[in-house]
Amino acid sequence: DQQVKQNSPSLSVQEGRISILNCDYTNSMFDYFLWYKKYPAEGPTFLISISSIKDKNEDGRFTVFLNKSAKHLSLHIVPSQPGDSAVYFCAANAGGTSYGKLTFGQGTILTVHP
Amino acid sequence: GAVVSQHPSWVICKSGTSVKIECRSLDFQATTMFWYRQFPKQSLMLMATSNEGSKATYEQGVEKDKFLINHASLTLSTLTVTSAHPEDSSFYICSASNQETQYFGPGTRLLVL
Repeated sequence: DQQVKQNSPSLSVQEGRISILNCDYTNSMFDYFLWYKKYPAEGPTFLISISSIKDKNEDGRFTVFLNKSAKHLSLHIVPSQPGDSAVYFCAANAGGTSYGKLTFGQGTILTVHP
Repeated sequence: GAVVSQHPSWVICKSGTSVKIECRSLDFQATTMFWYRQFPKQSLMLMATSNEGSKATYEQGVEKDKFLINHASLTLSTLTVTSAHPEDSSFYICSASNQETQYFGPGTRLLVL
């Protein structure tokens, strides 16, 4: 039972344009969401997070949007850069924190072309 | 920022042998460490949660006698894959939590021949 789903296995974007990565979840107990960036053979690196009490959180080029009624979140990267090319995972926690047990999506491979 | 290390970074072993993977938090005390496994092109799947000084809590479907976890100190947790088989070949990642945030290690690639 995949409680966190990233239905797009890959996304290709031109440099300078917006990248939008999507994530859906089914468990209504999830109340904290995170996005991680991961390179092959490396551990995930934290990017940005959002609590369920918010619907938007912004950090530089990265913005995460949360639609609780739709159980959907998205990560926007503007402008996209070639160095953003990596696998992006969304993750969810049911304890309202970033430091507890996480449930991950399958990941989306982002490729940003120069 | 905080650093979490794993050793070894990759290991090849024969079927039937045991392999130990170490996870260390280098500059903070980790009250909780998590062990994940990632198969190619798949999600990171949580295997177990370990708290310092107590027994690990395993996720459903993970054999506790096969994947032995020890969290003897606030900076070290070990995962031992006992009697490894080719289907155990995977990428094993730990994370360390200090009740403020969670940091991931670089992962260990295990190949069982």
